[in-house]
Amino acid sequence: NAGVTQTPKFRILKIGQSMTLQCAQDMNHNYMYWYRQDPGMGLKLIYYSVGAGITDKGEVPNGYNVSRSTTEDFPLRLELAAPSQTSVYFCASSRRSGTYEQYFGPGTRLTVT
Amino acid sequence: GQNIDQPTEMTATEGAIVQINCTYQTSGFNGLFWYQQHAGEAPTFLSYNVLDGLEEKGRFSSFLSRSKGYSYLLLKELQMKDSASYLCAVRDEDTDKLIFGTGTRLQVFP
Repeated sequence: NAGVTQTPKFRILKIGQSMTLQCAQDMNHNYMYWYRQDPGMGLKLIYYSVGAGITDKGEVPNGYNVSRSTTEDFPLRLELAAPSQTSVYFCASSRRSGTYEQYFGPGTRLTVT
Repeated sequence: GQNIDQPTEMTATEGAIVQINCTYQTSGFNGLFWYQQHAGEAPTFLSYNVLDGLEEKGRFSSFLSRSKGYSYLLLKELQMKDSASYLCAVRDEDTDKLIFGTGTRLQVFP
């Protein structure tokens, strides 16, 4: 199993550009999550999904969109990138909520200038 | 409201024992996780506590006191590879989401 994979690893965007961060998992997990991690800060939940076709907002959803058309994939869309979106983005998945730990992808380091 | 506090940084010597504390105030509690994160890498799961007491897993142990809103991660026989950030995360009972602390950066010296 590859686990949770993310592409790209690094990206530099200009202000106002858009991009999609890709996330895929091969563990047949129903739950998937997008977090951002700023330097010296904890992980903040952006969006999450409890299954294909179902998504919901987390703590910091503004400026982002998601879709979940399959169990495996959970892309994160940034529209009109802003410097405040410079961060490291982690995708994670878990079998269920509750006691099940989350498995994290390697992250995407995004810089908006 | 939700608040999780951890020390920002700690240092320790190879072979020693270190205890990383985490205190939390949340509107509802449904379990506490510890994750390890090496610099530039993804967090990886270490332990989970939902009942009071100590959970031991090799060199790592995690303790929880729900009445005190307190947990600690105990690392024994420290190795250089234990240099990493340790993230405390509480599952909020109301939202069922993980709330992460800012992490404790541990540096192990020879």
